[in-house]
Amino acid sequence: QKEVEQDPGPLSVPEGAIVSLNCTYSNSAFQYFMWYRQYSRKGPELLMYTYSSGNKEDGRFTAQVDKSSKYISLFIRDSQPSDSATYLCAMSASGAQKLVFGQGTRLTINP
Amino acid sequence: GAGVSQSPRYKVTKRGQDVALRCDPISGHVSLYWYRQALGQGPEFLTYFNYEAQQDKSGLPNDRFSAERPEGSISTLTIQRTEQRDSAMYRCASSQLAGTSGEQYFGPGTRLTVT
Repeated sequence: QKEVEQDPGPLSVPEGAIVSLNCTYSNSAFQYFMWYRQYSRKGPELLMYTYSSGNKEDGRFTAQVDKSSKYISLFIRDSQPSDSATYLCAMSASGAQKLVFGQGTRLTINP
Repeated sequence: GAGVSQSPRYKVTKRGQDVALRCDPISGHVSLYWYRQALGQGPEFLTYFNYEAQQDKSGLPNDRFSAERPEGSISTLTIQRTEQRDSAMYRCASSQLAGTSGEQYFGPGTRLTVT
């Protein structure tokens, strides 16, 4: 079993919808949680960076971490066609520097 | 540009040849990471440096893989006696601080194809 599980999709939603992307993990030592967006043929781009449990909002994006359930989410409000990409969750343990990534969810926003 | 740069962007080599992949991190970033990304998968950790010191090489698949960062800036990932299974996208990332994973910023990657 992988340390980080992420549904690869694909996920297709209409423009303007609220998108929910999720990851589960098994390592209780994970303390730092990130979401990256990766466009086709590009490198991952950091979207959200959070520590421990709670919510963080940045524009149309909200990241949630529930450590008791070992579950993290990324919500995208008012989704746009330009949001079409693969979304990767990543996490690391306190004191550790390497990131452990999920498989990525491929998202398409249809105009 | 101010981002992480990698060269070459594409490398095709014959099985058995050695290859060297280069990463130039964001100026002033202390930590530099190497990951490998297979198609349809997330990046997988290989190794990382704080300044010039290699801190963790647990992700390197075998002893054909090595990395260095001699002056604490540019890093080279070397694969000796390449095999077809080494074909992948090799990604470099850098972060400003050491001690935690921090905000890691990725370069465009080097696509390695071993024929």
